[in-house]
Amino acid sequence: NAGVTQTPKFRVLKTGQSMTLLCAQDMNHEYMYWYRQDPGMGLRLIHYSVGEGTTAKGEVPDGYNVSRLKKQNFLLGLESAAPSQTSVYFCASSYGGAGTEAFFGQGTRLTVV
Amino acid sequence: QKEVEQDPGPLSVPEGAIVSLNCTYSNSAFQYFMWYRQYSRKGPELLMYTYSSGNKEDGRFTAQVDKSSKYISLFIRDSQPSDSATYLCAMSGVQGAQKLVFGQGTRLTINP
Repeated sequence: NAGVTQTPKFRVLKTGQSMTLLCAQDMNHEYMYWYRQDPGMGLRLIHYSVGEGTTAKGEVPDGYNVSRLKKQNFLLGLESAAPSQTSVYFCASSYGGAGTEAFFGQGTRLTVV
Repeated sequence: QKEVEQDPGPLSVPEGAIVSLNCTYSNSAFQYFMWYRQYSRKGPELLMYTYSSGNKEDGRFTAQVDKSSKYISLFIRDSQPSDSATYLCAMSGVQGAQKLVFGQGTRLTINP
């Protein structure tokens, strides 16, 4: 059972380049989330989805877009990368809403130079 | 002011010590309180979960929630080197999607 899988694990981008991070889960979870983790800041929610075809903004959505075309996949896009987006990105999923366990992927380390 | 405050440490203790990790919060709507453990270069994993106030024990781990003081704690008894990790408190309200609010995380090292 793979759980939550993120692709890629590492990436270096130049300022202004675009990229897409892929998150796939095989647990048939309805809810999926994208977080970023920065030193001293904990995990901050970027965008989330409560089901296929739905997305919503989290705490720090600016500069990112997401799509949930299939239930098992949640994509995070950076249209024009900036150095401030250098971070570790985590995808998570849960079977329900508030109070249910979130399962995290292994993270994507992104550096924007 | 952040909704959830957690001392980032780092915290270093000898093997066998009792460890106390704490978080304070400001949002009285929080009802679900969790502790996640994150090993280096890995994703967080749920360690303890508490609904509303009270204590919960699981082996060497005890989670406490004091809603009147807006204060939660995680105690680790007989700490082991394998407990060395970053511990993140997280909490959410009762409605809608699980929009967890995380503390900054405390980096813990247990020395043999």
